Amino acid sequence: NAGVTQTPKFQVLKTGQSMTLQCAQDMNHNSMYWYRQDPGMGLRLIYYSASEGTTDKGEVPNGYNVSRLNKREFSLRLESAAPSQTSVYFCASNSYEQYFGPGTRLTVT
Amino acid sequence: GESVGLHLPTLSVQEGDNSIINCAYSNSASDYFIWYKQESGKGPQFIIDIRSNMDKRQGQRVTVLLNKTVKHLSLQIAATQPGDSAVYFCAEIVSGGYNKLIFGAGTRLAVHP
Repeated sequence: NAGVTQTPKFQVLKTGQSMTLQCAQDMNHNSMYWYRQDPGMGLRLIYYSASEGTTDKGEVPNGYNVSRLNKREFSLRLESAAPSQTSVYFCASNSYEQYFGPGTRLTVT
Repeated sequence: GESVGLHLPTLSVQEGDNSIINCAYSNSASDYFIWYKQESGKGPQFIIDIRSNMDKRQGQRVTVLLNKTVKHLSLQIAATQPGDSAVYFCAEIVSGGYNKLIFGAGTRLAVHP
């Protein structure tokens, strides 16, 4: 039981490049979430998926898209990366007690 | 508006002492609160939760207190150990639509031998 896994762990992009962050959970949870964490701040919700086949915007969705591929997988895509998207990205699953992945550290230069 | 914040950004304690981390929240409709621990380079890890119909809940070496009158939440760690050094976040859940977690900025706990 790996819990929540994320790939990659680290990524450096140039402004304008695109990439997809992958997340998978093996706990059979319906809900999955993407957060970003900036220095000195708490986690902010980007997008969430309450169940397979549904996605909704969170607090800071601009510049991102998501896909709930199946019950296990929830990906986050940056179509045209900007320096303001430099952050640590966390995926989480479950509803109340959310389980978090180890994070992806993204730097956009 | 909705907000969850922390009174102290950094807390330094001696090993063996008790630690108290505080959190204020503003949404009186929140019905569930969680404390998370985040070690360097890792994702947040669940510590303990409390529902709004409770005022105290105890776990192993940790106690969460909820004062709804003043909208205040605290995490008490007994006999603090070096392994407790981390950033602690309180989170508030506002039910409805989806279970939206609102996180505070975090308090760094530094435990000195």
